Amino acid sequence: AQKVTQAQTEISVVEKEDVTLDCVYETRDTTYYLFWYKQPPSGELVFLIRRNSFDEQNEISGRYSWNFQKSTSSFNFTITASQVVDSAVYFCALSEALTAGGSYIPTFGRGTSLIVHP
Amino acid sequence: ETGVTQTPRHLVMGMTNKKSLKCEQHLGHNAMYWYKQSAKKPLELMFVYSLEERVENNSVPSRFSPECPNSSHLFLHLHTLQPEDSALYLCASSQTTGESGNTIYFGEGSWLTVV
Repeated sequence: AQKVTQAQTEISVVEKEDVTLDCVYETRDTTYYLFWYKQPPSGELVFLIRRNSFDEQNEISGRYSWNFQKSTSSFNFTITASQVVDSAVYFCALSEALTAGGSYIPTFGRGTSLIVHP
Repeated sequence: ETGVTQTPRHLVMGMTNKKSLKCEQHLGHNAMYWYKQSAKKPLELMFVYSLEERVENNSVPSRFSPECPNSSHLFLHLHTLQPEDSALYLCASSQTTGESGNTIYFGEGSWLTVV
């Protein structure tokens, strides 16, 4: 069974601080996908990034960066120079490949609430 | 334009009412989902439809009744709900085949209050 753990329930930072959101996953499959979503107060979950299990290259997009480490089963998300608009709940998710016979329906973590103070 | 649209965005209903939530996806996906998100609780998967067939039903009470008339539309019919059913209901869609890794795209959600 697949599992996603976001141990940080809530993180509070001051604007311009860097912040890392942790995500640890469990899966028995060798082919799987990892995701991060952002949920602002308006409610919609916004897709941020997808990584497949064969691509361990870290990715940077503006102030956002993602560190995928298979050795520790982690897919952490760092926001550099945080801004008030980054305040949201962030979800990590995992799905297994349809062809791997696992559940392709993503499993979501419980989310980390990030509060950025001005 | 949002790829997944939900209506209404806000709904207040009495416990004896019958109402429906509507979802439409414009992404050409082959699967659609209903999730429930209550305050201080994790996302709960309610129903999954793949190619218009229900493939997942996570022990949801019968007062919630989904309907998927085609691959682009999904409804959630609500009947005799309880106050504890008040929550954000999120519709989503995905393409389960190909290289997308079944990335799920969500609508803006329907905030439901049962009084």
